[in-house]
Amino acid sequence: GAGVSQSPRYKVTKRGQDVALRCDPISGHVSLYWYRQALGQGPEFLTYFNYEAQQDKSGLPNDRFSAERPEGSISTLTIQRTEQRDSAMYRCASSFGTDYGYTFGSGTRLTVV
Amino acid sequence: GQQVMQIPQYQHVQEGEDFTTYCNSSTTLSNIQWYKQRPGGHPVFLIQLVKSGEVKKQKRLTFQFGEAKKNSSLHITATQTTDVGTYFCAGRNRDDKIIFGKGTRLHILP
Repeated sequence: GAGVSQSPRYKVTKRGQDVALRCDPISGHVSLYWYRQALGQGPEFLTYFNYEAQQDKSGLPNDRFSAERPEGSISTLTIQRTEQRDSAMYRCASSFGTDYGYTFGSGTRLTVV
Repeated sequence: GQQVMQIPQYQHVQEGEDFTTYCNSSTTLSNIQWYKQRPGGHPVFLIQLVKSGEVKKQKRLTFQFGEAKKNSSLHITATQTTDVGTYFCAGRNRDDKIIFGKGTRLHILP
């Protein structure tokens, strides 16, 4: 596609529910990254993939968070048993490789009530 | 862990004045990238610096990478209202992870 597409744009969920956030990267981009951005802060690294392989998941806050990219294209970030502190903007980015600039999507604003 | 510090956090300048934001890393970086995020938008890639002491220009924007590859700066000459936004530096460490600074929010006074 022309850009990085994230869905949904907004998600309101009740505490304790599971959510799945989707990222469709730019076609041909090898690397895909997940970041979380609080208001007024810089993006905080969560995890990244090269093709389908998860290279680094050290930024995932706890074991309620997981991500996959099974066919090396679309990725899903899943948060189980959501908590209010999970509320944030979740951003996906993709690039041709780890040595290139990122193209960010518009993000998913998650609100846990 | 690795930290990337950015100063100042906020900057208000009169239109036409210059603006500079500084980025410092606690560790040596493989490269550094700069992004601009408009209010309500997402970060947009501006440039990547790789070599020690490198200087790159994009119109009114000048980017520098320090000799020790631990600091960087972005300088905007003669700011315009279109320059409004938050400027982030992002340092790549040797584990290929990019760590973003907290950004400098630029506000232009007409």
